[in-house]
Amino acid sequence: DAKTTQPPSMDCAEGRAANLPCNHSTISGNEYVYWYRQIHSQGPQYIIHGLKNNETNEMASLIITEDRKSSTLILPHATLRDTAVYYCIVRPQNQAGTALIFGKGTTLSVSS
Amino acid sequence: KAGVTQTPRYLIKTRGQQVTLSCSPISGHRSVSWYQQTPGQGLQFLFEYFSETQRNKGNFPGRFSGRQFSNSRSEMNVSTLELGDSALYLCASSLRTGNGNTIYFGEGSWLTVV
Repeated sequence: DAKTTQPPSMDCAEGRAANLPCNHSTISGNEYVYWYRQIHSQGPQYIIHGLKNNETNEMASLIITEDRKSSTLILPHATLRDTAVYYCIVRPQNQAGTALIFGKGTTLSVSS
Repeated sequence: KAGVTQTPRYLIKTRGQQVTLSCSPISGHRSVSWYQQTPGQGLQFLFEYFSETQRNKGNFPGRFSGRQFSNSRSEMNVSTLELGDSALYLCASSLRTGNGNTIYFGEGSWLTVV
């Protein structure tokens, strides 16, 4: 079973920041938080991952709370192309393979 | 650098037939996994291979099988197809660098069973 809880859907206006929350209250100290998104009919796209520090890349920022029980994915300037299902996944730190347990994710709808 | 490549992209099969799907991981990646995505069950892990050995297996019947070759390319096979096997089948690969490695997905193979 997925170890994360996400709202089923969110709306965002184009050009505004999209803040997608994820609850992972049972996370262990060695478990990473990963974010993926899936645009309709395509394979999941890697966005970002982190352990305990905030992370930023060209796509998004990941803010992890100090107790690590929740995190927020931030898309700073959402565009229509960011409309997708966003998945928050918790993986053990020493799991070197590719097995991921997906939940239902959050459907983000960006409108003009 | 080429991404994860899956073939075929679309196929239609008849109940009772078998199907083989192919996956070429990103160059240098040695770990490959397969997933099934359906509207009802979402994205579910099928199995994972590393160095030609199955390392992990999800909760699927024995009709679903896979293998990995010495060049890390992988195939999955579904025998005695059922209508419920209609799904998007996704392959993912990673370098296996240990902690926090990044996993990349292909675009998937759409299987329709009629």
